[in-house]
Amino acid sequence: AQSVTQLGSHVSVSEGALVLLRCNYSSSVPPYLFWYVQYPNQGLQLLLKYTTGATLVKGINGFEAEFKKSETSFHLTKPSAHMSDAAEYFCAVAGGTSYGKLTFGQGTILTVHP
Amino acid sequence: DTEVTQTPKHLVMGMTNKKSLKCEQHMGHRAMYWYKQKAKKPPELMFVYSYEKLSINESVPSRFSPECPNSSLLNLHLHALQPEDSALYLCASSPGLAGLLTGELFFGEGSRLTVL
Repeated sequence: AQSVTQLGSHVSVSEGALVLLRCNYSSSVPPYLFWYVQYPNQGLQLLLKYTTGATLVKGINGFEAEFKKSETSFHLTKPSAHMSDAAEYFCAVAGGTSYGKLTFGQGTILTVHP
Repeated sequence: DTEVTQTPKHLVMGMTNKKSLKCEQHMGHRAMYWYKQKAKKPPELMFVYSYEKLSINESVPSRFSPECPNSSLLNLHLHALQPEDSALYLCASSPGLAGLLTGELFFGEGSRLTVL
């Protein structure tokens, strides 16, 4: 079975500061990893994804994530937070025996202070 | 057009009512999904349809009945629900099941269901 653990249910940063949202995964097969963002009262939007190839993945809105197999991590970063980044972020994993199924982490709520 | 449209946005129903949630996409996607999201929790997969056939049922109670009349439409029929079924129900689509593995899931804004 595959699983995802997001460290920290709430993260608070100042506008302009670095954003770091942590995600660790467990998978018996090479994983496909994703970050989704959910704004209040909306559905989820794909931020970025790792399937194969380059381990540093760039996404929308200036976010990026690095796949580190040795650490089983896929942390999400953004150099400079913007007020509009305030949302809930979900890390997710798919692949292997869970074909057709996307397993989400518990989510991290990002708050950005002026 | 890259939207997944869900109706209604809000629904309040009693435990004896029968209602339906609807989802529509016009992106030519061949896989469609229902997810349930409780407050402050991640989405949980309920059903997956691939080429209009039920592909995955995550052991969902029979009071939830999915239907895929054609490749653009996905319904979720609700009957005899319980208060604990109150949640945000999200519909999603992808080009195919393989699209799921590449993260090509497009979500609607959800239907917020309250069961009294």
